[in-house]
Amino acid sequence: SYVLTQPPSMSVAPGQTARITCAGNNVGGRTVHWYQQKPGQAPVLVVYDDSDRPSGIPERFSGSNSGNTATLTVTRVEAGDEGEYYCQVWENSWDHPVFGGGTKLTVL
Amino acid sequence: EVQMVESGGRLVQPGGSLRLSCAASGFTVSSNFMSWVRKAPGKGLEWVSVIYSDGSTYYADSVKDRFTVSRDHAENTLYLQMNSLRGEDTAMYYCARGTGVSSSRYDSWGQGTLVTVSS
Repeated sequence: SYVLTQPPSMSVAPGQTARITCAGNNVGGRTVHWYQQKPGQAPVLVVYDDSDRPSGIPERFSGSNSGNTATLTVTRVEAGDEGEYYCQVWENSWDHPVFGGGTKLTVL
Repeated sequence: EVQMVESGGRLVQPGGSLRLSCAASGFTVSSNFMSWVRKAPGKGLEWVSVIYSDGSTYYADSVKDRFTVSRDHAENTLYLQMNSLRGEDTAMYYCARGTGVSSSRYDSWGQGTLVTVSS
């Protein structure tokens, strides 16, 4: 089945930009969604359809998708952005979602 | 306001059974596709099952033939019947509301219910 690969962790200083990648075979030909999960909380959709933001999600969160890599970009990172981030596509052949392994973002 | 509240998780012995519930408000469960997604300690999100508005269901290979997803329209509640439980089923279980047709995703999640399988 389809596999999405994310770096397990990354660190960024407050105010800097975090770019979280999600690699998959021709992932640019699919539609990617991103979730944020803070410790002890449920996942929250932060970007859908590669680059759209649900209402209530700050403009600091943006997404792109091309070739074999999708990217979630968080600008002006804040302490409250710490958590795990997951990419997701839908596997139409089998009617189920595929999640990346997740990236733990630490704000230094 | 869309809200989902899971319940039913607890400590259970290997081989035992549990039924999880997800009570929804602010939308109709049977009009959307709904999933159960779990997160085991130290691991990432894992899709478990999905039920579509037409009643069709699908399961991850890891739970097929052991878990059954269902819903009650009158109660507006989603269920997950879990049988023959194993240690590797230990996880926080979330219900999630699906949306989108060609690019399906989950726009609302419950807070989760913890299932621990141990002797």
